[in-house]
Amino acid sequence: DTAVSQTPKYLVTQMGNDKSIKCEQNLGHDTMYWYKQDSKKFLKIMFSYNNKELIINETVPNRFSPKSPDKAHLNLHINSLELGDSAVYFCASSPNGMGNTEAFFGQGTRLTVV
Amino acid sequence: AQTVTQSQPEMSVQEAETVTLSCTYDTSESNYYLFWYKQPPSRQMILVIRQEAYKQQNATENRFSVNFQKAAKSFSLKISDSQLGDTAMYFCAFMNGSGNTGKLIFGQGTTLQVKP
Repeated sequence: DTAVSQTPKYLVTQMGNDKSIKCEQNLGHDTMYWYKQDSKKFLKIMFSYNNKELIINETVPNRFSPKSPDKAHLNLHINSLELGDSAVYFCASSPNGMGNTEAFFGQGTRLTVV
Repeated sequence: AQTVTQSQPEMSVQEAETVTLSCTYDTSESNYYLFWYKQPPSRQMILVIRQEAYKQQNATENRFSVNFQKAAKSFSLKISDSQLGDTAMYFCAFMNGSGNTGKLIFGQGTTLQVKP
């Protein structure tokens, strides 16, 4: 059983399109995250949710909108895709957002905007 | 703001030998956690080891150990008896211990090649 699963794993789309990446965790964790890994492999947090409530919203264009229908799901919707949005997007979850617990990552979604 | 710096973009080591990856960080917090994550070619992020700042004892996990120098804000990873499966990108990460946001701040990463 996959603990944190993202779909799709690969996504190729044209500029200007709207797309969504889905994330589900079956670990019963309260906290979920989206991270972006750019072409230089640099990882940076985008959003964090705790029990469906947004607690971190880093400096991200408002074309990116996270949605958490329940605490097991955190989806990422991206409007008007741009070339610079090409990256690998990782979903992660942790029991309670505390450092003494482990964050589990999904396998990543490689988004390519052409 | 906290920052994490990994000054070695690439390293290589012969199989069965020992290698040390460097990491320094900057923070004014007293309560925090430090992590090393491994990202193999499969892209999966895997936690290697964790260190609580309030613990003086260095964390160890089998062949992996850290050298945590709190005053110097240094957190290096030592891999003993390197194996081919250790080939991966390694990320050092910082988490503030207060606020419970779970936000990880990553370094730039070090690509490690283990040679047969």
